[in-house]
Amino acid sequence: EVQLVESGGGLVQPGGSLRLSCVVSGLSFSNYWMSWVRQVPGRGLEWVANIKQDGSEKYYVDSVRGRFTISRDNAQNSLYLQMNSLRGEDTAVYFCARGQGPDEYWGQGTQVTVSS
Amino acid sequence: DVVMTQSPLSLPVTLGQPASISCRSSQSLAHSDGSTYLNWFQQRPGQSPRRLIYKVSKRDSGVPERFSGSGSGTDFTLKISRVEAEDVGVYYCMQGTDWPPITFGQGTRLEIK
Repeated sequence: EVQLVESGGGLVQPGGSLRLSCVVSGLSFSNYWMSWVRQVPGRGLEWVANIKQDGSEKYYVDSVRGRFTISRDNAQNSLYLQMNSLRGEDTAVYFCARGQGPDEYWGQGTQVTVSS
Repeated sequence: DVVMTQSPLSLPVTLGQPASISCRSSQSLAHSDGSTYLNWFQQRPGQSPRRLIYKVSKRDSGVPERFSGSGSGTDFTLKISRVEAEDVGVYYCMQGTDWPPITFGQGTRLEIK
């Protein structure tokens, strides 16, 4: 069974930092691009970033470029999102998903709330 | 950026009746490699999104045959032949042809009348 399990979300003050993790099992993690997608509660989906299999290519949506960093550890089957200089508009549920553009496998999401 | 526009945004449907959702892109989604990277996702209440359709019309494993996708260029459609209660949720189209960024439509909320 394929599982993607996110963790690391929580409440953080504006300007603060958080590191999200996603542990993947049941598939050959190192063979796939991976993505982060976020969803403001009650709103739509927004692609945040993705990373190539070997980590050599990384892409971001404009609103997070320079503040967020996507990375991976293929030995640990893990995907990460380091989020710095957080703003209120970053408040959302963050999903990790397999694929260059998310495909059939998604995690359950982790809530990030940016508020003073 | 490629803008994805869905209609309608709200879709009340009677059980057993068909449903159709439109998705239009601001530019052609035909890729130079010959594929068109237009996907459809379903998000049931309280759940993560689930991909239903990829490359316009290919159904994912386990997706009921009542779901079908069609279209080309800038105009795409998701059809449900006979709506069932479990189909309630929000449906999103997504383009992966011209990126970054990968972009989603605003979502269409399907409800039972």
